[in-house]
Amino acid sequence: NAGVTQTPKFRVLKTGQSMTLLCAQDMNHEYMYWYRQDPGMGLRLIHYSVGEGTTAKGEVPDGYNVSRLKKQNFLLGLESAAPSQTSVYFCASKEKDFGELFFGEGSRLTVL
Amino acid sequence: RKEVEQDPGPFNVPEGATVAFNCTYSNSASQSFFWYRQDCRKEPKLLMSVYSSGNEDGRFTAQLNRASQYISLLIRDSKLSDSATYLCVPRPGNNRKLIWGLGTSLAVNP
Repeated sequence: NAGVTQTPKFRVLKTGQSMTLLCAQDMNHEYMYWYRQDPGMGLRLIHYSVGEGTTAKGEVPDGYNVSRLKKQNFLLGLESAAPSQTSVYFCASKEKDFGELFFGEGSRLTVL
Repeated sequence: RKEVEQDPGPFNVPEGATVAFNCTYSNSASQSFFWYRQDCRKEPKLLMSVYSSGNEDGRFTAQLNRASQYISLLIRDSKLSDSATYLCVPRPGNNRKLIWGLGTSLAVNP
């Protein structure tokens, strides 16, 4: 069972570069989320999607864009990376509104 | 007041001990609660869901006190493998956005 898979798992960027994090789930879940986790702070929601073709902003969306063109994939884009975006990014999915949240293993991004 | 408050610990306990964590939440509209565990540098994983006054699963017991707005997690007969950070996650009403605490760190020592 693959579950939720994130790629890449590690990346180092220079300020101003762009990149895309890919999240893929094979559980046919409707809901997908992107979080970031930083020391001294709880998980913070960046963007989320409640179904294919839909996206919505979370609490810290600035500097990020997302797309959900296919139900199984949720892409997180950084258009112009900044050092403040150095973080661990987690993708998560769940089948229904009150279901269990399944996380990917995380993507560690460093912006120099 | 923070939306979710947890004692960060660390709690250092010997194997076999019983340990309890408390979590307070500010939104009285929270209807469901979750405890997740997160191992160092790993992803969070669901430990327990709480929809009513409490829940029990083996060595783990969660209790909810709505009047005082706190939820507790009790771990009995601690194992080395219980060493992790435990995250308290309330969910206010029908809001899809979970509220994540900073977690409580537990270290179970041989």
